[in-house]
Amino acid sequence: KAGVTQTPRYLIKTRGQQVTLSCSPISGHRSVSWYQQTPGQGLQFLFEYFSETQRNKGNFPGRFSGRQFSNSRSEMNVSTLELGDSALYLCASSPPGRGQGALLNTEAFFGQGTRLTVV
Amino acid sequence: TQLLEQSPQFLSIQEGENLTVYCNSSSVFSSLQWYRQEPGEGPVLLVTVVTGGEVKKLKRLTFQFGDARKDSSLHITAAQPGDTGLYLCAGRGYGQNFVFGPGTRLSVLP
Repeated sequence: KAGVTQTPRYLIKTRGQQVTLSCSPISGHRSVSWYQQTPGQGLQFLFEYFSETQRNKGNFPGRFSGRQFSNSRSEMNVSTLELGDSALYLCASSPPGRGQGALLNTEAFFGQGTRLTVV
Repeated sequence: TQLLEQSPQFLSIQEGENLTVYCNSSSVFSSLQWYRQEPGEGPVLLVTVVTGGEVKKLKRLTFQFGDARKDSSLHITAAQPGDTGLYLCAGRGYGQNFVFGPGTRLSVLP
């Protein structure tokens, strides 16, 4: 079974530009979540999608947005890039939950991440 | 807001030594996961624990979930250089998103 695939792996953008990152989840996984990882802040939750609906959102400005398609693939977009947006962006997919259904997804499987550098 | 704390933050040991990493919270989690991450890569899931008091073993790694489902520990026996990496614990409350601890950076010297 193929793992979570993120593209591109590396990206260099100029301050003020926008960027779109892509994530293909593991086949059969309908939940996709996004994280920003920096040395100072660790792994910070951005948002989570399930069946094309945003289920949870982290504490990030509106410049960060995302969406999920009917095939469960997801994209996240960052507009008006700032130097502080330089980070490793990670996508994770989760299988259907056990016990009480989809709301109890118990595991996250991560992609290799996209390293974004803003100059 | 659910928060996870990990200790120690950094650990440097010699090959063959044992070590324990701790993950603590004031919140109850429906499940708790441990991941290992290498530089520039995504975290790799090691184990999931869901039952209070549960103990799981993965070769030289032993994971324990606290009885109250608020804390967990990871014990490595006879550490090897291949165990080097960032160890992250993550928890998920009922119907909520995953929360990650800040990580423990382990270095095992040959």
